[in-house]
This record gives sequence, C-alpha cells and structure tokens, in this order.
Amino acid sequence: AQTVTQSQPEMSVQEAETVTLSCTYDTSESDYYLFWYKQPPSRQMILVIRQEAYKQQNATENRFSVNFQKAAKSFSLKISDSQLGDAAMYFCAYSLAGGGADGLTFGKGTHLIIQP
Amino acid sequence: SAVISQKPSRDICQRGTSLTIQCQVDSQVTMMFWYRQQPGQSLTLIATANQGSEATYESGFVIDKFPISRPNLTFSTLTVSNMSPEDSSIYLCSVDRGWDNEQFFGPGTRLTVL
Repeated sequence: AQTVTQSQPEMSVQEAETVTLSCTYDTSESDYYLFWYKQPPSRQMILVIRQEAYKQQNATENRFSVNFQKAAKSFSLKISDSQLGDAAMYFCAYSLAGGGADGLTFGKGTHLIIQP
Repeated sequence: SAVISQKPSRDICQRGTSLTIQCQVDSQVTMMFWYRQQPGQSLTLIATANQGSEATYESGFVIDKFPISRPNLTFSTLTVSNMSPEDSSIYLCSVDRGWDNEQFFGPGTRLTVL
C-alpha cells in the first residue's frame, strides 16, 4: 500500500519570505501523480500543484514550485514571497496513474502560519 | 474544472440515526469519490463510486455502514448509518476529470453526532 508522510505538523514563516514543506512517500509503482492541496479554514480543498512521476522537470505554478526527487521518493513544496492568504493546512497526496480510477492517499498535513 | 455542491453543508444528528449526504457535479464524470476527514486529521478515502456498478470500499469501511448510490454521471449519495459520536467528521466528495488524475472537491459536509 502507498503511504504519504508529512513530518512537519506546523510551519511558520514571515510574510514575503520563502518556506518549504516536506513530503515523502512510499510506493512500488513507477507511474503515479503527486499533488499538493491547500485547505483554508473554509475547508474547501484547493489544488496547488501537481507532478507526474514520469516528468523529470519540477512543476511550477507562479509562487509555488516543487522539488521532486523520484529516487528518494521526496516531493517538497516551496512557497516564495509568502502571503497572508497562503495560511492554511497543506496536504501532500499520491495517486496511481491510470485514467482517474484511483482515489488519493493523503499525508497528515502541515499547518502553515504566515506571520505579518 | 468542475463545480461540486454538497447537501447538507452541516448537520447535527442523534446517535443511532442515519444521514444521507448528496453530491452534485455540474458536468458528467466517470469516477466520484467519498472521503472522511475526522477532526484535526487528514482525509481518508471511504469509497469510489462508478456509475452503473457497486461502489468499491477501502479497508475499514463497509457498505452496511456507508451505503453509496451513483444513479447517474452527475450525482452520488453517501449515507452514514446507525451513527455514533465517532462518525463526527467532515465528509467530502470529489470527482476526477478522467485523464490526469486531478480531483476536484466539494465543500464538504460537517457532521456532528451527539
């Protein structure tokens, strides 16, 4: 079974600074997807960024980027120029590739605090 | 993207009763998923609902406790049966757009069982 581990229950960063959230996973598969989701207090799950395992290039979305290390099974999220609106729970998630038939396996989450 | 609505948004129920949660999508989707998020915890997949077939349940979840219906490609229901306080959670549905495993989530249903 696949597992996703987020070892940082809480992180704090000053506004405008950069923060990195860690995620490791365990799988015996070679083709899969990795995601970072954001859950603000409204509890709406929002996709931040996704990475296909077969792509060596790290995904980027504006201020958000990932460091995907397939051999190390590591998938960290870097948030640059942190903003107050970035404060939320961040969940790392894994999905087996294959046309969308599989649900997501989530890590326990990291609570990100942005200090003004 | 997909717009997903859930009803009710929240409810307070007595133990021993059942609650049915509805999930409506604004477009046809193949797969719908139901997750549980216990207080202060992460999301755990309950089951996968494919239209026209029985739902597939994850380990630790059974059909008698969490019956699911999927009558068409835009709608699904999850029933939480014979509720106990341990069932107090947020229940979320999600859909997969089918080609890249990206899932979109509904706003969730916050259930409190007294």
